[in-house]
Amino acid sequence: RKEVEQDPGPFNVPEGATVAFNCTYSNSASQSFFWYRQDCRKEPKLLMSVYSSGNEDGRFTAQLNRASQYISLLIRDSKLSDSATYLCVVNRGSTLGRLYFGRGTQLTVWP
Amino acid sequence: EAGVVQSPRYKIIEKKQPVAFWCNPISGHNTLYWYRQNLGQGPELLIRYENEEAVDDSQLPKDRFSAERLKGVDSTLKIQPAELGDSAVYLCASSWRRGTYEQYFGPGTRLTVT
Repeated sequence: RKEVEQDPGPFNVPEGATVAFNCTYSNSASQSFFWYRQDCRKEPKLLMSVYSSGNEDGRFTAQLNRASQYISLLIRDSKLSDSATYLCVVNRGSTLGRLYFGRGTQLTVWP
Repeated sequence: EAGVVQSPRYKIIEKKQPVAFWCNPISGHNTLYWYRQNLGQGPELLIRYENEEAVDDSQLPKDRFSAERLKGVDSTLKIQPAELGDSAVYLCASSWRRGTYEQYFGPGTRLTVT
């Protein structure tokens, strides 16, 4: 079983829409959680960390459910520039520094 | 501040040939990572260095892959001989220190083995 599972999509939404992505992780010992963004043929970049209490950064909201081993990312008021692949990333405490990446969820925002 | 630099950006080789990738991390970053990203998949760690020491190489296929980070700065990843299944993007990343989870990625080397 993979460490991180994501629905690859694609999600195609109009500008201004709200869209949510989910992922699940397999190891209950996982300690840190992140969303990275990867534009087409570019390198991944950190979008935001995910905290147990949930956190928001502008139009982006991340949630963590440790009991269900589930992470979500909500994007409100989608922009054309949000079109990218969103990678769910998990760190297991026992291998400090090693990040486990999901396969990513592809988002296209159309005008 | 300059980002992570990788070269070459693209490489096409025939199977059984050797290939090498070079990475220069962000200045001052002690931790360096090599990842492989297959099409439609997330990056997978190959090896992690803390300064010049390889501290996590459990995912590196050691029969054909090798890496080095002399002097704890630049790093080279080599494949010899290359196989068709090695076609992928090879990403280098660096972070300030172990346990700092924000990793800064280079643009990657896109390898095609024919």
